[in-house]
Amino acid sequence: EPEVTQTPSHQVTQMGQEVILRCVPISNHLYFYWYRQILGQKVEFLVSFYNNEISEKSEIFDDQFSVERPDGSNFTLKIRSTKLEDSAMYFCASSGQGAPGANVLTFGAGSRLTVL
Amino acid sequence: KQEVTQIPAALSVPEGENLVLNCSFTDSAIYNLQWFRQDPGKGLTSLLLIQSSQREQTSGRLNASLDKSSGRSTLYIAASQPGDSATYLCAVKSKSGDKLVFGAGTILRVKS
Repeated sequence: EPEVTQTPSHQVTQMGQEVILRCVPISNHLYFYWYRQILGQKVEFLVSFYNNEISEKSEIFDDQFSVERPDGSNFTLKIRSTKLEDSAMYFCASSGQGAPGANVLTFGAGSRLTVL
Repeated sequence: KQEVTQIPAALSVPEGENLVLNCSFTDSAIYNLQWFRQDPGKGLTSLLLIQSSQREQTSGRLNASLDKSSGRSTLYIAASQPGDSATYLCAVKSKSGDKLVFGAGTILRVKS
């Protein structure tokens, strides 16, 4: 069964460092998302991406965050200068053809980011 | 602003019981509702998706219903098994926007 692949599975970084989280969505999917889950809290939406541009972003997704689909297969989330409160599990998701809400979102296993 | 609440927060049952997990949402103008399963430290596995025009969806021992007008959904698990132990998340997509809004989840433990 097709799956969304995320790397790394766990990253530890120092506060102020840049981090790039990578995702390979399902190959024929058109809509891409990043969510995060701080330990013990709800899963929160960060950003959605369609047709090579951001279609929606949350208040969390400030100027420190950016997304990119550099080569038609990878989908990356960059955090420019990490803060302690960025420590969380980051989930990538993708969905298929048609309106973004019409289809099931398939999530990756997550990348755990720990900021020291 | 859409808010999603799940009750109970945690549930412990003996193997074989039928059980019901509840989800409520504040804005009934939804596009769809999705139930997920999350195992500790792992990603989210989609269980069932119900479009706003549908009343229920079934997959194996799972049945999810949707009452959009009252802002409620239930996930029914028949003949529970220890392997069903996980956190079950409800998420709603509103008619405006792309995002899913998640509830806090119900932690289910099925004892053998």
